[in-house]
Amino acid sequence: KAGVTQTPRYLIKTRGQQVTLSCSPISGHRSVSWYQQTPGQGLQFLFEYFSETQRNKGNFPGRFSGRQFSNSRSEMNVSTLELGDSALYLCASSLSQNLNEQYFGPGTRLTVT
Amino acid sequence: EDKVVQSPLSLVVHEGDTVTLNCSYEVTNFRSLLWYKQEKKAPTFLFMLTSSGIEKKSGRLSSILDKKELSSILNITATQTGDSAIYLCAGRVDNNDMRFGAGTRLTVKP
Repeated sequence: KAGVTQTPRYLIKTRGQQVTLSCSPISGHRSVSWYQQTPGQGLQFLFEYFSETQRNKGNFPGRFSGRQFSNSRSEMNVSTLELGDSALYLCASSLSQNLNEQYFGPGTRLTVT
Repeated sequence: EDKVVQSPLSLVVHEGDTVTLNCSYEVTNFRSLLWYKQEKKAPTFLFMLTSSGIEKKSGRLSSILDKKELSSILNITATQTGDSAIYLCAGRVDNNDMRFGAGTRLTVKP
């Protein structure tokens, strides 16, 4: 069974631009969570989607948004990029929103210049 | 404010040593505590703990939760170089939000 995949793996953007990251969960998994990882702040929860609905949201500004499609694939969008948005963005999938065993994708390394 | 604190932040041991990593948490509406191992990119799941005093084991790794002390430990016996990684613990709360600690960087020398 294929693991969680994320595209693109690396991305360079300039301040003020917007970016869309994609995550395909493990087949059969319906919950997708997004995390931001930086050296300074560590791993932080962004939001969780289940059955195309955002179930939970972390403490991030409204520039960070996402959505989930009927096939459980998820996208994350960041608008008006700031230098501080440079990070590794990880997505994780699980069978349902109540299961804690999550499987992480390889991440997308975003660099904002 | 919810927070998860791990100690030590880094640790260097030699193969065969036993290590104990610590995690303390202060989260409202605590639901469970999770341990992950992060080697290169993505964290991999190790344990989920919900009940106090019940040890979970997987090979040379084991973990236990102490709800009274709001803490958990992760033990690794007979360490190997392949155990070198960052070990993350996270507190999960009722709304499924996760609060991660900064991690413990473990280096196992041959």
